[in-house]
Amino acid sequence: SAVISQKPSRDICQRGTSLTIQCQVDSQVTMMFWYRQQPGQSLTLIATANQGSEATYESGFVIDKFPISRPNLTFSTLTVSNMSPEDSSIYLCSVASQGSEAFFGQGTRLTVV
Amino acid sequence: GQNIDQPTEMTATEGAIVQINCTYQTSGFNGLFWYQQHAGEAPTFLSYNVLDGLEEKGRFSSFLSRSKGYSYLLLKELQMKDSASYLCAVRPQGGKLIFGQGTELSVKP
Repeated sequence: SAVISQKPSRDICQRGTSLTIQCQVDSQVTMMFWYRQQPGQSLTLIATANQGSEATYESGFVIDKFPISRPNLTFSTLTVSNMSPEDSSIYLCSVASQGSEAFFGQGTRLTVV
Repeated sequence: GQNIDQPTEMTATEGAIVQINCTYQTSGFNGLFWYQQHAGEAPTFLSYNVLDGLEEKGRFSSFLSRSKGYSYLLLKELQMKDSASYLCAVRPQGGKLIFGQGTELSVKP
């Protein structure tokens, strides 16, 4: 199983600012994903982080708001840009290999004030 | 479109058995997953079904019927620590998962 380190674990940010979340995996993985979990809700996929190319975004999510980087097979970042209180959520990094289960980082609990 | 349904909440008694159902309609199917999530924590993997039938792992079992778009998670000998949210997720293709809304299970003494 993969060990995923995600940081920061939590943050309180002012509206209008941006926060970058990092996800580091202890082994090379083919697929990395970013999910959002709003209060009391289930997980919603934001995008697939593609190594060496632009991320693939799900409906309702755009690159200008959630820019993603994946410079190599073990690391990715998600930025939440121009934050508003509606962005207060838990953001989760996930990794998977074909045919196996997905593993999750511990999440970043973001509060926007 | 993608649709995954599971009950919002369930209550059961310590020591009993509980079955959490999940029905799905997705554009493709490459596996169904169950995750457990305690409040304030990340989801942890419980089970994975890609073929029809029952997968047993200790006190937890998961069943899949692809023709019916149906799965269930069975928890036996319930313990208080099993109180958590249980998430059903389908992998339509590739590696991404589509999650149901989760079932909040409360185990009472």
